[in-house]
Parts: sequence; structure tokens; C-alpha cells
Amino acid sequence: QKEVEQNSGPLSVPEGAIASLNCTYSDRGSQSFFWYRQYSGKSPELIMFIYSNGDKEDGRFTAQLNKASQYVSLLIRDSQPSDSATYLCAVRKGGSYIPTFGRGTSLIVHP
Amino acid sequence: KAGVTQTPRYLIKTRGQQVTLSCSPISGHRSVSWYQQTPGQGLQFLFEYFSETQRNKGNFPGRFSGRQFSNSRSEMNVSTLELGDSALYLCASSLESGTYEQYFGPGTRLTVT
Repeated sequence: QKEVEQNSGPLSVPEGAIASLNCTYSDRGSQSFFWYRQYSGKSPELIMFIYSNGDKEDGRFTAQLNKASQYVSLLIRDSQPSDSATYLCAVRKGGSYIPTFGRGTSLIVHP
Repeated sequence: KAGVTQTPRYLIKTRGQQVTLSCSPISGHRSVSWYQQTPGQGLQFLFEYFSETQRNKGNFPGRFSGRQFSNSRSEMNVSTLELGDSALYLCASSLESGTYEQYFGPGTRLTVT
């Protein structure tokens, strides 16, 4: 079992819809969780991080963390074609700086 | 404020050679991390430098090394290159070691032939 798993996609959603991206992790000692967006040919950029159970909202983005079920998700409301990218989930264990990344989910938002 | 810069952007090397990549962090940032990104393995952490000291190290062979200078600029060296070292090498800077927010540079695309 990989430490951080994501469905590679592509996930295709129409413009204006909610895109839901999921990530599961295997280590129960994981404490901080990150979502990055990476456009084709570009470097990753941090969208948000979360470390407490529940939801964290930032604009159109909401991260949801459920440590009991060992998953973290990213919801993108009112999806736009400019949201089309690969979304990387990263996890850090408690006491460690070293992040483990998932392979990413490709999101396509079509007009 | 200028972002993270990496040089060179593209590099072609032959097996057995060595290579040095450079990263200049955002002004005021003291931590620099290096990552390797490949289609097969995804994004993997190499190491992190803070205050000229390696603070954390990923699971890579000793052929991969780095250093950081007093101005926080960092270099990464790969010796005895192998075909499998072909990858996008990214550096990321953050204010302090362990902070959540890190900013990636554009990367250096290394091709080993």
C-alpha cells in the first residue's frame, strides 16, 4: 500500500460544478496535510494546508480532513477552466518535516 | 518580491558525469528544500537545508548531495549520473525550517543520456 494515494484521473467536471479530489494516507501518525496545484510544465504551488479534523475554507477551496478514516479531500466550488491542473496531496508525519506526496489527480474543467 | 530562481533551467548530461544545480530562495527565506519529480515516482523529497546545515534527508543515495551558503542560496550535486536521474529537480524555499508554506522554483530539467 502506498503511503499517500490519489486517483490519477482525469476527473472531468463542467464549468461551475464542484470538483471533489480525494487523498488517502496509510500512516496514522500523519499530522499535517497539504494540497498543491501544478499546471502542466509548471512547478507546484500550495493551495492550502490543514492539520485539524474538519473543514478549512479559503475562497472557492475547501479542504476536509478525517483522521479516523485517514483521508483528506479538496473541494473546488464553481470550477473554472483555469482550475484544470494536476492536484497533489502531501502528508507530513508528526515530528517530521519530510512530506510524502501522492501521484496527483488530473482535473479537467470543461466549458 | 522576486520568487525562487533556479539555474540552469535545462541540462543535458552523459552517464557517469556529475552535475550541480543552483537555487536562490525568496529574499528573507532561510530554508531550502530539494525535490525530484519523475513520471514514474512522482514528487520525492531529497533534502532540506537551513542555516547552512542539512536538516532533513529523504531516501536517496549518497550520490545526491547539497549545500547551502550564508546567503541561503543552495546547490545540489549529483555525481556519477545514471539514466534514472533524468527528472525535474525542484527547489522550494520557506521562511523557516518546518513551516507549512513553501514556494517552489521553476525547476531544472535534467536529461541524462
